[in-house]
Amino acid sequence: DIQMTQSPSSLSASVGDRVTITCQASQDISKYLNWYQQKPGKAPKLLIYDAANLRTGVPSRFSGSGSGTDFTFTISSLQAEDIATYYCQQYDNLPIAFGQGTRLEIK
Amino acid sequence: EVQLVESGGGLVQPGRSLRLSCAASGFTFDDYAMHWVRQAPGKGLEWVSGINWNGDNIGYVDSVKGRFTTSRDNAKNSLFLQMNSLRAEDTAFYYCARSFTSTWQVLKFDYWGQGILVTVST
Repeated sequence: DIQMTQSPSSLSASVGDRVTITCQASQDISKYLNWYQQKPGKAPKLLIYDAANLRTGVPSRFSGSGSGTDFTFTISSLQAEDIATYYCQQYDNLPIAFGQGTRLEIK
Repeated sequence: EVQLVESGGGLVQPGRSLRLSCAASGFTFDDYAMHWVRQAPGKGLEWVSGINWNGDNIGYVDSVKGRFTTSRDNAKNSLFLQMNSLRAEDTAFYYCARSFTSTWQVLKFDYWGQGILVTVST
């Protein structure tokens, strides 16, 4: 099974900061990686698919990059409404795997 | 507007059964594969099952194979999860989610329901 290692597990940043989350796969998953945002008490929301594609309607401050085993999710200028837990998810092989999540807080 | 609304959750004893439903609206239901994803309280996400647009191909995570059955009724725009022989470790919020495509093997989930809690306990 492919393991996804997401870091950091938690992060505190100020409004306006650039925030970066990484996700590493235990084997090559090509571009088959998605990023989700989950606000407290809510369902996850897809932000980035296939490593770098911004879902329609998602603000452009969110971006993703990477391929193979190493992936990065970036918020270019953190906003207060971005407080959430972020998950990566690989779908190259079954069973699909989610990262353990990064809890993002405002400093 | 795409809407997915789960129902049927609740408290159930170990070994018993429960059937979840997901009512879909705002899109052409039989154009898309559908999935169930669960999340134990305070924990991460786990994909449970996916079903093709016409129900002829279904996949499950190993931990629920032989116990859970996913089905759909395209005439009623509904997705179902029949859960038998429930265990304490099945306790979770269960989300239905829409796939990007008509086949469940493309595991990208673009719309999610609000989730329904299933608690397996004595």
